[in-house]
Amino acid sequence: DAGITQSPRYKITETGRQVTLMCHQTWSHSYMFWYRQDLGHGLRLIYYSAAADITDKGEVPDGYVVSRSKTENFPLTLESATRSQTSVYFCASKDGLRLAGGPYNEQFFGPGTRLTVL
Amino acid sequence: AQTVTQSQPEMSVQEAETVTLSCTYDTSESDYYLFWYKQPPSRQMILVIRQEAYKQQNATENRFSVNFQKAAKSFSLKISDSQLGDAAMYFCAYRRKSNFGNEKLTFGTGTRLTIIP
Repeated sequence: DAGITQSPRYKITETGRQVTLMCHQTWSHSYMFWYRQDLGHGLRLIYYSAAADITDKGEVPDGYVVSRSKTENFPLTLESATRSQTSVYFCASKDGLRLAGGPYNEQFFGPGTRLTVL
Repeated sequence: AQTVTQSQPEMSVQEAETVTLSCTYDTSESDYYLFWYKQPPSRQMILVIRQEAYKQQNATENRFSVNFQKAAKSFSLKISDSQLGDAAMYFCAYRRKSNFGNEKLTFGTGTRLTIIP
């Protein structure tokens, strides 16, 4: 299917376990982003990537690791999950070629993954 | 750092009436973009409307319009003829203008809109 997908949609894990959230987009967008959504905070940027093998920290990167070996995939790993990482995680992508930075170069969001850490 | 504030955690409106959601922001930039995103119960983030800071004309998309007051750093969303499908969480967001396309979105905390039949 065309677009941006996330898997799994729901995940329950235990404190200390490693968890990987997957994000896949079919548009060949160069930019990809990970946000977390928490009550009272809106969405906050965890990491972003400008292209394959180029990643950078966002506002709340601690406890997370990302990689981007292929343009279409941007997995987010929680190396040792903590209860404070219980959240809804959104992946987004953006076209870096067409009117870069312009108002119609918008981020498209995936459907989100609800992660619960017990 | 840029901040976005939505001071109304919840709002409700009668179906077919008009409602206005408030948003204020703080930035030292002169050129930037402002957005309203809708998040229905499905959790999907949907872009509703966008405003370019250097444009004085308020953006309009069908029943959705904004009141952009740059000096006051205010960016409110007006929904006319409210429909049941408008029920959702609405987020105001800010982005710097960039030639690199990697600027993050800064979001407000959201306003939950309920439509009363």
